[in-house]
Amino acid sequence: SYELTQPPSVSVSPGQTASITCSGDKLGDKYACWYQQRPGQSPVLVIYQDNKRPSGIPERFSGSNSGNTATLTISGTQPMDEADYYCQAWDSSTANYVFGAGTMVTVL
Amino acid sequence: QLQLQESGPGLVKASETLSLTCTVSGDSISSSSYYWGWIRQPPGKGLEWIGSIYYSGGTYYNPSLKSRVTISVDTSKNQFSLKLTSVTVADTAVYHCARHPGGTQSFDYWGQGTLVTVSS
Repeated sequence: SYELTQPPSVSVSPGQTASITCSGDKLGDKYACWYQQRPGQSPVLVIYQDNKRPSGIPERFSGSNSGNTATLTISGTQPMDEADYYCQAWDSSTANYVFGAGTMVTVL
Repeated sequence: QLQLQESGPGLVKASETLSLTCTVSGDSISSSSYYWGWIRQPPGKGLEWIGSIYYSGGTYYNPSLKSRVTISVDTSKNQFSLKLTSVTVADTAVYHCARHPGGTQSFDYWGQGTLVTVSS
């Protein structure tokens, strides 16, 4: 089965840049998207189709996807960005939407 | 403003069938642009896609759950539903319904989720 691997945690200082990686076999050949989930809340889509931002998502969120790795970048990280972040892709070989295990972003 | 709301029993006994309904408001479930899906999240763990449905009734399921899952749609009520049979304690999770636009391969609107506990 297809797997997406994320680091369990990332720490960042306020105002700095946080980068969260998501690795999978030939992930760059698929679309990757990213969700933010604050404690007790439902996931919110922050990046889709590798690098597109839904309406209402701040410009400080950006994404890229190439080779085996997709990356979510949060520029000028704010305390409100502290949350779990999940990557997700569609694996056509198994007809399955696959999620990474999530990365906890801490803003220190 | 699109809203999705899950409803159903919060407690199910092991070996029985879990049944949930998602009511969509603010948009027609019959829109040709969207699929509608179920995703679950065990307490303290990650997300798992269960399956999705198109308004015409076409479905596709997570291969690991396919033998136990049925998703159906009722366009007259603007609802879609999930049935998961032969549940075990491992099926205890928050169950979310969500919309996914065709072609984007992502879920852009989510319900608040409902916790279903399977008791042994």
